[in-house]
Amino acid sequence: QSALTQPASVSGSPGQSITISCTGTSSDVGSYNLVSWYQQHPGKAPKLMIYEGSKRPSGVSNRFSGSKSGNTASLTISGLQAEDEADYYCCSYAGSSTFYVVFGGGTKLTVL
Amino acid sequence: EVQLVESGGGLVQPGGSLRLSCAASGFTFSSYWMHWVRQAPGKGLVWVSRINSDGSSTSYADSVKGRFTISRDNAKNTLYLQMNSLRAEDTAVYYCAREYGETNFDYWGQGTLVTVSS
Repeated sequence: QSALTQPASVSGSPGQSITISCTGTSSDVGSYNLVSWYQQHPGKAPKLMIYEGSKRPSGVSNRFSGSKSGNTASLTISGLQAEDEADYYCCSYAGSSTFYVVFGGGTKLTVL
Repeated sequence: EVQLVESGGGLVQPGGSLRLSCAASGFTFSSYWMHWVRQAPGKGLVWVSRINSDGSSTSYADSVKGRFTISRDNAKNTLYLQMNSLRAEDTAVYYCAREYGETNFDYWGQGTLVTVSS
């Protein structure tokens, strides 16, 4: 099982929208609606932002949204704010005969 | 309030062993699957292992299979990771995480640093 593919970095100005892609295969992202997204600020633990592709946990801003098309999942952040600057990781179930989970390599979001 | 507190990290020589613990509170520990996820310095998140709610089923990443053992004590609300035959590439912050639904990690500990070096 290989890591999911994310862009190393994205940037945007306050108020703008950005999208982070997460590309997998038909064995992980493409086969299951089990993609989650995590936000991680420096020195902190990751925080769940989106689960099961497009669902938001309680307390997460509706500026965060998730979607999927084929083998690629996406995280969109609208109305960028300074506090959104962080690393973002996608994650997908990847098991078939055995349980397995894969993360993406992470994307550094810079708010200009 | 849900809390996960890892401990047991430290400096260990290559080939050595270490046991990590994750003390859980604020929720019914015995009802949840639990996971270990690690992050090498300056690198991304990597899933390590998972255990089901009663401890009867476990899974491992290929990179640690045969060397690491996940376990839990539901009476003590504690998750463990026994790490043997440690390698330099095992150096990382190790997080325990609670699973919500299917492979969604809704609560994470603060992490414990494991450094494998001579």
